[in-house]
Amino acid sequence: DIQMTQSPSSLSASVGDRVTITCQASQDIRKYLNWYQQKPGKAPKVLIYGASNLEAGVPSRFSGSGSGTYFTLTISSLQPEDIATYYCQQYGDFPPVTFGQGTRLEIK
Amino acid sequence: QVQLVESGGGVVQPGRSLRLSCAASGFRFSSYGMNWVRQAPGKGLEWVAGIHYDGSKEYYAESMKGRLTISRDDSKNTVYLQMNSPRAEDTAVYYCARDGRNPGPMFDYWGQGILVTVSS
Repeated sequence: DIQMTQSPSSLSASVGDRVTITCQASQDIRKYLNWYQQKPGKAPKVLIYGASNLEAGVPSRFSGSGSGTYFTLTISSLQPEDIATYYCQQYGDFPPVTFGQGTRLEIK
Repeated sequence: QVQLVESGGGVVQPGRSLRLSCAASGFRFSSYGMNWVRQAPGKGLEWVAGIHYDGSKEYYAESMKGRLTISRDDSKNTVYLQMNSPRAEDTAVYYCARDGRNPGPMFDYWGQGILVTVSS
């Protein structure tokens, strides 16, 4: 199975900061990578699909890039409501689907 | 609007069977693949099973293969997850999720989740 490694595992940043989370795949997954946001006690919500496509209704401060084995999720200007845990998910080698271990984002 | 509502969770004894249901509404259910994703307390997301939009293919996490059966009833707009011989490590919140994109899976809608606690 393809392993997904996110970094950092946790991150503290200030409102207005530019935040970047990375996700590395153990094998080439082309652009078959999605990003999710999960707030405490809630179901995950998709932000980015196909590595770089913004899901409808998601604020434009979120963006994704990458292909192959290296991917990034960027928040251009951190807002208080962005406090959450973020997960990458690959589907380049399905089944199975595999998720990264998550990145917990906090406000400094 | 799209809604997914899970049911059937609760406390189950190790070795007993459990069937989770996910009732869908607000979209053409028969046109979408459906999946189950779980999250153990304080842990990350783990995909467990998926079923093709027409029910022709089922997919399982290797770690749970043989203990799970995913199925769907398009007449009831419902997807099911049958879990046999649950273990303590199966304790988790179980989410059903719609596969919204081709190629996928990409999980564009999720249920609110249902807690399954495996304990004697």
